[in-house]
Amino acid sequence: DAGVIQSPRHEVTEMGQEVTLRCKPISGHDYLFWYRQTMMRGLELLIYFNNNVPIDDSGMPEDRFSAKMPNASFSTLKIQPSEPRDSAVYFCASSLSGTPQSTDTQYFGPGTRLTVL
Amino acid sequence: AQSVTQLGSHVSVSEGALVLLRCNYSSSVPPYLFWYVQYPNQGLQLLLKYTSAATLVKGINGFEAEFKKSETSFHLTKPSAHMSDAAEYFCAVRIRLLMNRDDKIIFGKGTRLHILP
Repeated sequence: DAGVIQSPRHEVTEMGQEVTLRCKPISGHDYLFWYRQTMMRGLELLIYFNNNVPIDDSGMPEDRFSAKMPNASFSTLKIQPSEPRDSAVYFCASSLSGTPQSTDTQYFGPGTRLTVL
Repeated sequence: AQSVTQLGSHVSVSEGALVLLRCNYSSSVPPYLFWYVQYPNQGLQLLLKYTSAATLVKGINGFEAEFKKSETSFHLTKPSAHMSDAAEYFCAVRIRLLMNRDDKIIFGKGTRLHILP
């Protein structure tokens, strides 16, 4: 398996522009997670999906952030408009199950390094 | 509230010396605990996990961690450091969401391990 795939790996944009990050989870995984990593705040969970449905988006920082999962093999995280403080590494992860009875591991993608100038 | 605290954002050890990375957790229920490693410009990889079975957990690359309930700790150790161990290490706890059967993982802020020649 190719693992979790994220694109682009690097994104540099100007303040005010729309940014779209993409993720392809591991085939057969029914949970998908979006994380943001910064030096100041560490790794934060933004939102996660179960069977393409958003379950918990309490970590999404502002209305400028939105995430979708139109099908089991694709998800997007969009920032519109982007701001310099959004600069971070954004990780996507997937797992077979996130239930308390499960001990399945989350598999992380390589991340997208976003720089907003 | 469930949380995880990593003591020391940077740790330096000499090659061949003992590696000890500290993690303390807070959980009102028996926790599931994880250690992840992140190599430069890569995503996170699971090192090991504790799931209420044996308290001493062995992971990949010679790492192990011991769950100590009385100390609410899950410290990561390796007897002899290697240059290739230089990376950032994240401790994580799996928490149960209120009013929801699903759960999610909360990460510590990470500890960057430096290996001195």
